[in-house]
This record gives sequence, C-alpha cells and structure tokens, in this order.
Amino acid sequence: RKEVEQDPGPFNVPEGATVAFNCTYSNSASQSFFWYRQDCRKEPKLLMSVYSSGNEDGRFTAQLNRASQYISLLIRDSKLSDSATYLCVVGKNTGNQFYFGTGTSLTVIP
Amino acid sequence: EADIYQTPRYLVIGTGKKITLECSQTMGHDKMYWYQQDPGMELHLIHYSYGVNSTEKGDLSSESTVSRIRTEHFPLTLESARPSHTSQYLCASSELGTGGGNEQFFGPGTRLTVL
Repeated sequence: RKEVEQDPGPFNVPEGATVAFNCTYSNSASQSFFWYRQDCRKEPKLLMSVYSSGNEDGRFTAQLNRASQYISLLIRDSKLSDSATYLCVVGKNTGNQFYFGTGTSLTVIP
Repeated sequence: EADIYQTPRYLVIGTGKKITLECSQTMGHDKMYWYQQDPGMELHLIHYSYGVNSTEKGDLSSESTVSRIRTEHFPLTLESARPSHTSQYLCASSELGTGGGNEQFFGPGTRLTVL
C-alpha cells in the first residue's frame, strides 16, 4: 500500500467554482502534512502546511483528520492561475522523510 | 524565492558515461534531499542528508551515490549511466527541525536523458 494516496483527477472546473481534493495516508505515526503545488515541468512549491486545527490562507483551506488519516484542500472561487497539480505530502518523525502523493491535476476553464 | 540551484538543467548523455548532478543551497539548511520523478508520477526519495558527512539512502533503490562535504553542496553521481536512469532529478533542502519536519524548498530540477 502506498504511503500517500490521492485521486489523480483530472479535475476540470469553471472559473469561480469551489473544488476539494482529498488525500489519505497510511502511517498513523505521521507528524507533518503539507500541500504543494507543481506546475507542468516545474519544481514543487509549498502551497500551505496543514495543522491539526485546520488552517486557511485566502481562498485555500486545509483540513487534517488524524482519526481517519486524511487531509483535504478546498479551493474557493477558482482562478485560471490555479491550474496545476496539487501534491499531498506527509512527513514522518523517524528519519524526517517525506512521502509524496502522485498529485491531483486541476484545470480551471474560462 | 528559494535559493537552491541545480546544474545542469538538462543533460543528454550516452550509456556508460559517469555523470554528476550538482545541487547547492545558500539558505544554510542542514537537511538536503534528492528525489526522482517520472512524468505524471510521484516524487521518490533516493538520498538524503542531515548535515556534513551524513548521507542516507531513501526508499527508492538507486544506483547513484551522494556526498556531503560542505553544508551547501549535495552532488549526486552516477558512475555508469543507463537508459533506465532517464528521469527528472529534484534536489531539495529544509531546516533541521524537530517533530515531523519542515517545509522543503526545491531546486528547478535536472532532466536527464540517457541514450
């Protein structure tokens, strides 16, 4: 079983739509959680960290459910510039290694 | 913007050649990583380092080797390149935090093609 699993999509949504991505992780000892954004043929860049209490950054909201071992990302009022692949990343305390999901592809359509 | 650099950005090379992919960061980060990513696939950790003279293998088996003689520099070497090594190689760094880890900053990647 993979450490991190994501629905690869693609998600094709109109501008202004709200879209949600989920991600599940297999190791209950995981300690840190992130959403990264990766544009085509570019390096991943941090979108936001995910905290136990949930956190919001503008149009983006991240939630963590430790009991069910999943993380979510909600994007409100989608913009064309939101089109990218969104990577779920989970860190373990031991060895401080990070595990990446395959990413969820989002295309925002005019 | 992250201050982490990789060279070359693109490399096309013949089978059997020895190659070194360079990675440098100017943020003073103790932890550095090498990932391999094929198109449409997830990143796989192949090497990481906690600091000078510390190197560990990641989950993905790799025929490459790394060294960490200086904090800012983490080169990856393939002694004899093969077509199966064709991939994108991403270098990253982060602070040496406690708990589960801190944000990683990625370099722009090296796209390697072995003919």
